[in-house]
Amino acid sequence: EPEVTQTPSHQVTQMGQEVILRCVPISNHLYFYWYRQILGQKVEFLVSFYNNEISEKSEIFDDQFSVERPDGSNFTLKIRSTKLEDSAMYFCASEIRFTGELFFGEGSRLTVL
Amino acid sequence: AQKVTQAQTEISVVEKEDVTLDCVYETRDTTYYLFWYKQPPSGELVFLIRRNSFDEQNEISGRYSWNFQKSTSSFNFTITASQVVDSAVYFCALSEGETSGSRLTFGEGTQLTVNP
Repeated sequence: EPEVTQTPSHQVTQMGQEVILRCVPISNHLYFYWYRQILGQKVEFLVSFYNNEISEKSEIFDDQFSVERPDGSNFTLKIRSTKLEDSAMYFCASEIRFTGELFFGEGSRLTVL
Repeated sequence: AQKVTQAQTEISVVEKEDVTLDCVYETRDTTYYLFWYKQPPSGELVFLIRRNSFDEQNEISGRYSWNFQKSTSSFNFTITASQVVDSAVYFCALSEGETSGSRLTFGEGTQLTVNP
């Protein structure tokens, strides 16, 4: 069964460092998302991406964040200069069309020290 | 602004008991979608159901059933004859309007523990 894959599963970084989280969405899907979940809290929307551009972003997704689909298969989230409060589980998701039936990856846990 | 409230932080039941997870939502839109997702201990989020605001029919899928009531802005989820494998965090979510993508607003989640 097709699935969304994310790497790395866990990354530890120092405050101020750049981090890139990678995702391979399901191949025929057209909409891509990043969500995050701070430990023990709810899942929060970060950004949606369609037709090679950001379609919507939340207030969390400030200038420190960027997304890219560099090669037609990978979908990346970059955090330019990490802060302690960026520590969270980051989920990539995709869907074939707008239905809300998102297919989530298993997440990348980011720990900022 | 949209909001989803799951007042039950944790629920613990014994296997074979029925359990209902509550979800109350707020939205100004007349067109919206409601969802339930399951997050098992492995961490991934698994889609369970989507319901649009114009369809108040209740739905049953095996041991799962959902009760959507616009009058009370609720979308409750019942598991009948619960099993240990149902232990997970369950999230209710809302998306407004016909946007260009699925910007879901999640509730805080309900941790369900089913004991043998």
